Amino acid sequence: DSGVTQTPKHLITATGQRVTLRCSPRSGDLSVYWYQQSLDQGLQFLIQYYNGEERAKGNILERFSAQQFPDLHSELNLSSLELGDSALYFCASSVGGRGPYEQYFGPGTRLTVT
Amino acid sequence: AQSVTQLDSHVSVSEGTPVLLRCNYSSSYSPSLFWYVQHPNKGLQLLLKYTSAATLVKGINGFEAEFKKSETSFHLTKPSAHMSDAAEYFCVVSGAGNMLTFGGGTRLMVKP
Repeated sequence: DSGVTQTPKHLITATGQRVTLRCSPRSGDLSVYWYQQSLDQGLQFLIQYYNGEERAKGNILERFSAQQFPDLHSELNLSSLELGDSALYFCASSVGGRGPYEQYFGPGTRLTVT
Repeated sequence: AQSVTQLDSHVSVSEGTPVLLRCNYSSSYSPSLFWYVQHPNKGLQLLLKYTSAATLVKGINGFEAEFKKSETSFHLTKPSAHMSDAAEYFCVVSGAGNMLTFGGGTRLMVKP
């Protein structure tokens, strides 16, 4: 158990809908990262927050957004969902924001868009 | 810019024989490199990391990796495979801002 929690474990929704994925980092970690794992794209970095501030952006679509709250938990919002958004979404956390810090991964949220 | 290439998408070994998972990286500066393992329907677990100290890095569960700058490689090895090692393995390079770039993954199968 990495200490990173993600909810929900599974999510099934329809095209055009909006969902929110939640992540709680390990105790003491200030940085949260979001990754997407799909069969065709592999594992891709989406976005990073450090102590409430956006720190880095990767291949994140404009339909997706994230935030980190004062208690350091983070939410990833996915809107206008398309079939291609079906994937496993991982959250990771680390102590610091600039590397190289080990990142600890949560169990993931499996999103299915029908 | 940085990238990671895992040279084999699938590797099959017999239980008790050595494991070699190959990884080449590209980075514009001195990289930090990691190997992560993903068991079916599970999250990613850190196996080991290289951060410019010793070039031979020991990890968990008997795995180790050697950083070779001249070959831009970071291959993962284990002397004797166990059935529980069957999983997907990812070679990862850390870039600016601690952003991770993943290789395509190598699925390790262990035959009894």
